[in-house]
Amino acid sequence: GENVEQHPSTLSVQEGDSAVIKCTYSDSASNYFPWYKQELGKRPQLIIDIRSNVGEKKDQRIAVTLNKTAKHFSLHITETQPEDSAVYFCAASIIGSNYKLTFGKGTLLTVNP
Amino acid sequence: NAGVTQTPKFRVLKTGQSMTLLCAQDMNHEYMYWYRQDPGMGLRLIHYSVGEGTTAKGEVPDGYNVSRLKKQNFLLGLESAAPSQTSVYFCASSPGGKTQYFGPGTRLLVL
Repeated sequence: GENVEQHPSTLSVQEGDSAVIKCTYSDSASNYFPWYKQELGKRPQLIIDIRSNVGEKKDQRIAVTLNKTAKHFSLHITETQPEDSAVYFCAASIIGSNYKLTFGKGTLLTVNP
Repeated sequence: NAGVTQTPKFRVLKTGQSMTLLCAQDMNHEYMYWYRQDPGMGLRLIHYSVGEGTTAKGEVPDGYNVSRLKKQNFLLGLESAAPSQTSVYFCASSPGGKTQYFGPGTRLLVL
């Protein structure tokens, strides 16, 4: 089955800096890659996703890039703010096949004021 | 719309006891999922359903059973709870197998 590795497990940045979280996946058939944000004590919520026919997607301060050849994708957060502090999860799935998401183990991002 | 709701929010069980966790969604979604979340382990899929009356095993199904008798409800059962099942359980639903909407979670402690 699919295996998703996520790095780093913890990341601490100063407010205003950029943050990058990286994930690799094992199944070359995976074609959908969402990112979820989970604030302390809350439920995970989708923040951005990308399909395999696109190399990059951007939404205000967050962006996701995908390298299908290398089987890795990354989340980029620019101009970080304290409210960006949370655990971020990447995931991979095969749309139209099994409808299951395989999650990475998460990255705890701390943005220091 | 309430979205995805979970009952109960918190429960303490003794080893060997049984319980059922209820997940309900009012968005008419076809797909529903049960995950467990443990520190450092991310979200691991227990069971899922692609429609009313269907269920399938996920990554960590042992010790759990599920039922989806109605489209809006997905029940997770623990027949004989073990301390290893202490976790936070999240339910999720999805309209087309892509974006998943999560419930608020159920915190379970098995003594």
